Amino acid sequence: AQSVTQLDSHVSVSEGTPVLLRCNYSSSYSPSLFWYVQHPNKGLQLLLKYTSAATLVKGINGFEAEFKKSETSFHLTKPSAHMSDAAEYFCVVSGTRDDKIIFGKGTRLHILP
Amino acid sequence: NAGVTQTPKFRILKIGQSMTLQCTQDMNHNYMYWYRQDPGMGLKLIYYSVGAGITDKGEVPNGYNVSRSTTEDFPLRLELAAPSQTSVYFCASRPGTGTYEQYFGPGTRLTVT
Repeated sequence: AQSVTQLDSHVSVSEGTPVLLRCNYSSSYSPSLFWYVQHPNKGLQLLLKYTSAATLVKGINGFEAEFKKSETSFHLTKPSAHMSDAAEYFCVVSGTRDDKIIFGKGTRLHILP
Repeated sequence: NAGVTQTPKFRILKIGQSMTLQCTQDMNHNYMYWYRQDPGMGLKLIYYSVGAGITDKGEVPNGYNVSRSTTEDFPLRLELAAPSQTSVYFCASRPGTGTYEQYFGPGTRLTVT
């Protein structure tokens, strides 16, 4: 069975400092992995995706994530946080024999001025 | 392309009333989904469809019904609304098997009092 764990429900960083949002997954097969962002009162928007090509994936708004098979992790990073990055972020795993898509519970990112 | 559209944006229902949440996509996607999002709980899958005429239950289907008569439309029906159905509802779609990136609508915020 597949699962995904977002290790922090809330993360606070100061504007201009690095962002790290952690995601671990479990999958019996080669997974597809995604990060989505949800700004307040909005729908979910795809930030980036890993689908078995390059292990370092670049997304929109300066975000990137690295697929580490040995650590079963897909952490999301950004070198310098901006106030507009304040949002909820969801890590998603999919691509299994049963075609399921599994969402993490989300990490709320707070940006301090 | 408008992508995935949902109506209404907001709705207040009295206990026991019924309503239909509309979802339409113009991307010719085969797969469509309904999720509900409760604060701090991530997204929970209510129903999904892999094509016109085919629907299946997700994690939390009780109290809801769906139909899929066309590729474009995937309405969600609430019968006998209950306070536990107060939530934000998101519709999503994706092309089909092997492509797991989902496209989300803007959501419908439903309050049952």
